[in-house]
Amino acid sequence: QKEVEQDPGPLSVPEGAIVSLNCTYSNSAFQYFMWYRQYSRKGPELLMYTYSSGNKEDGRFTAQVDKSSKYISLFIRDSQPSDSATYLCAMSAAGNQFYFGTGTSLTVIP
Amino acid sequence: AAGVIQSPRHLIKEKRETATLKCYPIPRHDTVYWYQQGPGQDPQFLISFYEKMQSDKGSIPDRFSAQQFSDYHSELNMSSLELGDSALYFCASSSSGGVQETQYFGPGTRLLVL
Repeated sequence: QKEVEQDPGPLSVPEGAIVSLNCTYSNSAFQYFMWYRQYSRKGPELLMYTYSSGNKEDGRFTAQVDKSSKYISLFIRDSQPSDSATYLCAMSAAGNQFYFGTGTSLTVIP
Repeated sequence: AAGVIQSPRHLIKEKRETATLKCYPIPRHDTVYWYQQGPGQDPQFLISFYEKMQSDKGSIPDRFSAQQFSDYHSELNMSSLELGDSALYFCASSSSGGVQETQYFGPGTRLLVL
């Protein structure tokens, strides 16, 4: 079993929709939770970073962490065609190694 | 703002050849990480360096080695290349003085082994 599970999609939504992306994990030592956006043939771009449980909002993006359920989410409001990309969750314990989800491919249709 | 720089961006090699990938971290970042991402796969952690010392090791094959230099740039040396080494290789950097867990990725080097 992978440390981090993420539904690969693909996910297709109309422009303006609210998108919900999720990851589950098994390692209760994880404390740092990140969401990366990766466009085709590009490097992952850090979107959101959260430490421990709670919510964090940045513009149209909201990240939620529920450590009791070992579940994290990324919400995208008013989705735009430019949001079309692969979204990777990543997490780590107090150390260097990141564990990534497999990524969810999102397409926002104009 | 300056980002992580990787070179070359694309590389084609034949089996059993060697390759060297270079990574230049964001200025004042002292930690470098290497990842391998196969087609449709998530990035797999290979190895990391902090202040020129290896700090963590993941699924890096014995045929690969890496080091970090005094200017904090890092090189990943790959020998006896195999077809299965074809992948995107990402370098990421972070600052121990900042939020260490936020790693910033470079654009990647796409390696094709024929």
